[in-house]
Amino acid sequence: DARVTQTPRDKVTEMGQEVTMRCQPILGHNTVFWYRQTMMQGLELLAYFRNRAPLDDSGMPKDRFSAEMPDATLATLKIQPSEPRDSAVYFCASGLGSSSYNEQFFGPGTRLTVL
Amino acid sequence: AQSVSQHNHHVILSEAASLELGCNYSYGGTVNLFWYVQYPGQHLQLLLKYFSGDPLVKGIKGFEAEFIKSKFSFNLRKPSVQWSDTAEYFCAVNSYSSNTGKLIFGQGTTLQVKP
Repeated sequence: DARVTQTPRDKVTEMGQEVTMRCQPILGHNTVFWYRQTMMQGLELLAYFRNRAPLDDSGMPKDRFSAEMPDATLATLKIQPSEPRDSAVYFCASGLGSSSYNEQFFGPGTRLTVL
Repeated sequence: AQSVSQHNHHVILSEAASLELGCNYSYGGTVNLFWYVQYPGQHLQLLLKYFSGDPLVKGIKGFEAEFIKSKFSFNLRKPSVQWSDTAEYFCAVNSYSSNTGKLIFGQGTTLQVKP
């Protein structure tokens, strides 16, 4: 049963610290999305990649957030320095192909708390 | 810009009651429509999707949704809810023409089913 995996599942950190979240997309999927979920804003798209290349990161605060795909099996989302307003659940999703028809499969999320 | 509105933020029903959750989208072109469900503490899962054809689509767990193009709506229905349907429900849309798979989510509706 292929699944998207994310680590860590929970992260508590102090303001100013660096946070790195990792995502392993389903093997063979070539599209990866990062979403953030908060009570106030709901689910927001932060960035997405196709074939490891970033296609759109307009939803991401550029000064502190960065997203990369070092290889096809790993996507990372980094926050440096972290702030309390970054507290949220961060979801990774992967899909096969670039068509708008393709379903996205979501990971379990990383719950980030910045104190 | 595309947007998705879910008018019911919190719905409380008794078991066996019928369910209808509203979803309206704002976009002038051809869209693909999705409903995702997030059970407590879990990741998002696809309930159903509409791409074309019969505007009444059936999904998993007895859910269905009807696409009404003239009303820009894609409401989710279930004739008889169960306690296990307690979850958060998200309507989402992507643009057929953008061909990116990028999803725009509604704010979500929390459904609480009382036993």
